Parts: sequence; structure tokens; C-alpha cells
Amino acid sequence: QVQLVQSGTEVKKPGASVKVSCTASGYTFTSHVVHWVRQAPGQRLEWMGWVDAGNGNTQSSQNFQGRVTITTDTSASTAYMELSSLRFEDTAIYYCARDSNMAGLDIWGQGTMVTVSS
Amino acid sequence: DIVMTQSPLSLPVTPGEPASISCRSGQSLLNSNGYTHLGWYLQKPGQSPQLLIYLVSNRASGVPDRFSGSGSGTDFTLKISRVEAEDVGVYYCMQSQQSITFGQGTRLEIK
Repeated sequence: QVQLVQSGTEVKKPGASVKVSCTASGYTFTSHVVHWVRQAPGQRLEWMGWVDAGNGNTQSSQNFQGRVTITTDTSASTAYMELSSLRFEDTAIYYCARDSNMAGLDIWGQGTMVTVSS
Repeated sequence: DIVMTQSPLSLPVTPGEPASISCRSGQSLLNSNGYTHLGWYLQKPGQSPQLLIYLVSNRASGVPDRFSGSGSGTDFTLKISRVEAEDVGVYYCMQSQQSITFGQGTRLEIK
């Protein structure tokens, strides 16, 4: 079936970087955009950016001040989101989601918990 | 960023009764392509968000027909005709007209 499977829980220190993976199966990876969305404890969903898996084009939210890097490995049908210069407030669940091309974010990964702690 | 504002933030509902959630955007979500980029998502407890409605009023695959979406421009509504216990969770509206932003969420609970 169509699914996105994300990498596991991460614990990082302030100032470090974290890289989360999102592996697609059940569909043609390069035919869709993949978005990254995070949810801090008790907060609303926050969009981080997207990557067009077909051509590698990306766009990131300016709210992250250049700290977000989104990439793909098409040979592995995997998208990656790297967040640098981590702060305590980056503690959140990070989700990847497939863009169904005009019909919403129809498939979501299971989420990856990232905790920033000293 | 386009600001999305939902109301109410908490919605207690008796099973079998209807429910309605409002979402207002800070600017029109009507795109030059003629489509309005507004969707609704449900995040059940302990789960990832799931798509309910896209482009204002289109139900996603597998979504029961008791869910319906309506609206235009800057004002949108999600309606549940008869709430069931499995509908519990947080409902979010999302705009994708200009990057992506979400509403603050509406928590639906069963009375």
C-alpha cells in the first residue's frame, strides 16, 4: 500500500543538527512533492518546506531562517529534512506528507519525535 | 504568511448530533487557476493528521459522506452531519494558496 515511513526518535543537544528520513513505497516517488510539517507540544501544525521529488526543487519556510535543508535520494525513494542550529523550541514531532497534486496532503508519515535537550 | 483562524477551539458534541467548524483566512484563497486551496484535516489522538476535504468541498478517498466542506474566498466551514465516537480529535483547516499555513485546531470531544 501507499505509505511513508519515517526514521526513529532523536535526542539532540542545542546547536546540533538533526536529519530525518521519509521513505516512500507503493507509488512513483518522483511523481509527487513531499512536504515537511512539524508539531511542537500543544501547538498547531507548522509547515517547514517541500521538495519536488521529480526535479529536486525545494522551498522552505522563512520562519526557519535558512536552518532547514530538504533533499531526496530518488534511488531510495527517500526524502530528508535536516534542521540545523537546534534550539529547545525545536522539540516537536516532525511529519512528512505527500502532496497529491492539487488534492491535498493525502499520505502522512508516522511522525518522528525530536527532542532538544542539554 | 496567510493567517488561518478557526472557531470554536473546543467542540463538545453528543453522538448523533451535527457539528460545525468555521475557518477564516486572512486573505482570499482563490487562485488564478480558479481553484480555492483550502483543505481540512483530522488528527485523531496519537495519530498523524489525515486528509478529510480538499479544494473546499471534495471528500478524500474513504472519508464518510457525513463530512462536508463549503465556503469561498476567506470563509469556510466543515460540517459533520451526525457525529460518531470515532470522529474525536483535532480538526485543522489548511491553506495552500501561498505556501502552507494551518489553523490553530478545533478539538472535538464527545459529551
